[in-house]
Amino acid sequence: DIQMTQSPSLLSASVGDRVTITCRASQGISVKLAWYQQKPEKAPESLISGSSTLQSGVPSRFSGSGSGTDFTLTISSLQPEDFATYYCQQYFSYPVTFGQGTRLEIK
Amino acid sequence: EVQVVESGGDLVQPGGSLRLSCAASGFTFSDHYMDWARQAPGKGLEWVGRIRKRSNGYSTKYAASVEGRFTISRDDSKNSLFLQMNSLKTDDTAVYYCARVHNGGDLWHLDFWGRGTLVAVSS
Repeated sequence: DIQMTQSPSLLSASVGDRVTITCRASQGISVKLAWYQQKPEKAPESLISGSSTLQSGVPSRFSGSGSGTDFTLTISSLQPEDFATYYCQQYFSYPVTFGQGTRLEIK
Repeated sequence: EVQVVESGGDLVQPGGSLRLSCAASGFTFSDHYMDWARQAPGKGLEWVGRIRKRSNGYSTKYAASVEGRFTISRDDSKNSLFLQMNSLKTDDTAVYYCARVHNGGDLWHLDFWGRGTLVAVSS
């Protein structure tokens, strides 16, 4: 199985900050990497697929990059509604696997 | 509007069975692979399994943790997805999500998720 490791697990930041979350795959996954946002008691929402393709309706302050084993999710200027938990997911091979999550909290 | 709505979650004893359902609307259900994922209380997301579409023989894939105990099926005539869970363990306690695979193939992300249904396995 491909292991996905996110860092950090917890990130404290302020409104307006630029933040970056990283995700590392235990083997190469090309660009078959998605990012999801989950708010408390809510379903996950798709943010980015194919490592860097923003889903429809997702604000342009979100961006993704990377290929192979190393990936990043960047939020250019944090807004209050961005405080949530973020998960990466590889869909290069079965079983589909998720990172452990990064909780983004208000400093 | 794309929607998937799960139902059927309940409290069940260890060793018991439960069947979850997912009602889909707003898209051509038969064109999409569909997944189940779950989230234990306070934990991260775990993929449970996938069912492909008719042209792929409705074949399935499962996580090792549920293989042989869980079965995914679908009824395209009713735009419905199912998860039959047998031999339930306390570790299966989680919110179970139904999710649509973005396109009609394996190498795609999950683009729409339901709000989930809670399964609690306890004596």
